[in-house]
Amino acid sequence: DAKTTQPPSMDCAEGRAANLPCNHSTISGNEYVYWYRQIHSQGPQYIIHGLKNNETNEMASLIITEDRKSSTLILPHATLRDTAVYYCIVRANYGGATNKLIFGTGTLLAVQP
Amino acid sequence: DGGITQSPKYLFRKEGQNVTLSCEQNLNHDAMYWYRQDPGQGLRLIYYSQIVNDFQKGDIAEGYSVSREKKESFPLTVTSAQKNPTAFYLCASSIWDTPINTGELFFGEGSRLTVL
Repeated sequence: DAKTTQPPSMDCAEGRAANLPCNHSTISGNEYVYWYRQIHSQGPQYIIHGLKNNETNEMASLIITEDRKSSTLILPHATLRDTAVYYCIVRANYGGATNKLIFGTGTLLAVQP
Repeated sequence: DGGITQSPKYLFRKEGQNVTLSCEQNLNHDAMYWYRQDPGQGLRLIYYSQIVNDFQKGDIAEGYSVSREKKESFPLTVTSAQKNPTAFYLCASSIWDTPINTGELFFGEGSRLTVL
């Protein structure tokens, strides 16, 4: 299973764009990149996912490099409510359960007022 | 509203007692999952179920048991054999994986178990 590497923490000023990097150098061709976030003491929340093209939704944008070895999640205008742990996950196959997602320790994004 | 409901939100138990955490979903999802989270750590998969009456061990299944008698329910029992049961437990569900759908996970709000 492909592993991901994320910085343990980042700060961002309120109203500015937050750019969260993720390395996944061992990703295989059919593996998607997922981003989830977890606000303290709550369940994780899905943000966005992609395979090789850049993706955008109402929450964020996902930029995947051409070689697919890294990606960046962009929150265009961070607010205090975006303070959370952000998980970058590469979808794994495990015993036939292709939905199994492996969560690492993520990046704690602290949005500062 | 559709979603996943976990109960109880907080639970205290004495060492050596079994405890069952409830997870119910009304999203009509086929697959359900249990994760454990320790302070400052990521999520670790305990058990998962792809379909009724079938479930598989995850990475840390020892000391836990599950059942899947109904599509909407996937209770987790933390047994006395689990050495360090104090943790935050998260239940999730997803639709069956198809070439079209990539199986986004929907999580409950979690159950925090403290063993005294």
